[in-house]
Amino acid sequence: SQKIEQNSEALNIQEGKTATLTCNYTNYSPAYLQWYRQDPGRGPVFLLLIRENEKEKRKERLKVTFDTTLKQSLFHITASQPADSATYLCALGQPDTGRRALTFGSGTRLQVQP
Amino acid sequence: AAGVIQSPRHLIKEKRETATLKCYPIPRHDTVYWYQQGPGQDPQFLISFYEKMQSDKGSIPDRFSAQQFSDYHSELNMSSLELGDSALYFCASSAGQDRAEKLFFGSGTQLSVL
Repeated sequence: SQKIEQNSEALNIQEGKTATLTCNYTNYSPAYLQWYRQDPGRGPVFLLLIRENEKEKRKERLKVTFDTTLKQSLFHITASQPADSATYLCALGQPDTGRRALTFGSGTRLQVQP
Repeated sequence: AAGVIQSPRHLIKEKRETATLKCYPIPRHDTVYWYQQGPGQDPQFLISFYEKMQSDKGSIPDRFSAQQFSDYHSELNMSSLELGDSALYFCASSAGQDRAEKLFFGSGTQLSVL
C-alpha cells in the first residue's frame, strides 16, 4: 500500500541548532516533493519544492534533499529559531497519474527551545 | 497580496444537518482543491476543480458534493452530517499549467458536528 511517513513524535531542539526532518514514502513515484509549514488552526504554507531530477534545494536557512533511490527527503532548518516551531508537512506530486492534487504526510511537529 | 478566502471560519452543526463551506481562490488561479484534516492527521484530499470542471476526486463521501462557479469560487456541500465529519476543511488554489504546482491554502473552516 502507499504510505508517506514522517516522524510522528515531536522534534525538540535548542535554538541555533540544525533541525532535520525526514519524509519517507512507499509505492509512490513522485515527480516532485514539496514541504509545507503548518501552524495550529491554520492552513499549510508552501516552503520548498524539489523535483525528481534534483538532489538538493536551498532557500535561506532551509535545505531539502531528495533521494529517489532511498525514497526519502530530508528537510533541514539551520540556525533554528523559536519562531520556526510548527508542524512541517511533506507532500508528493504525481502529475503523471493525472492527479494535480498533492498527497500529504501527517507531519512532524518541531519545537525550538530558546 | 490576495490570499485564499474561506468562510465561515467556524461552523457548529448537529448530526444529520447540512453545511455549506465557501472558498474564494486567489485571482487568476484556475484550480481549487478541497482537503479535510482531522486533529493530528494529515490533510486528506477530497476533490478538485480545474476551470469549473471537476478534475479529480479523492476520498470525498457520497454525502458531500462540490462545485466551482463561473467566478471561480467553490462551495463544498455536506449533507447528513456525522460526528466523524468534525474536522478542519481547507481550500487551496493553484495557477497555471506548471506540472509542479504549489498550493496556496486558506485558513480553513473548523466544522464541529455535535
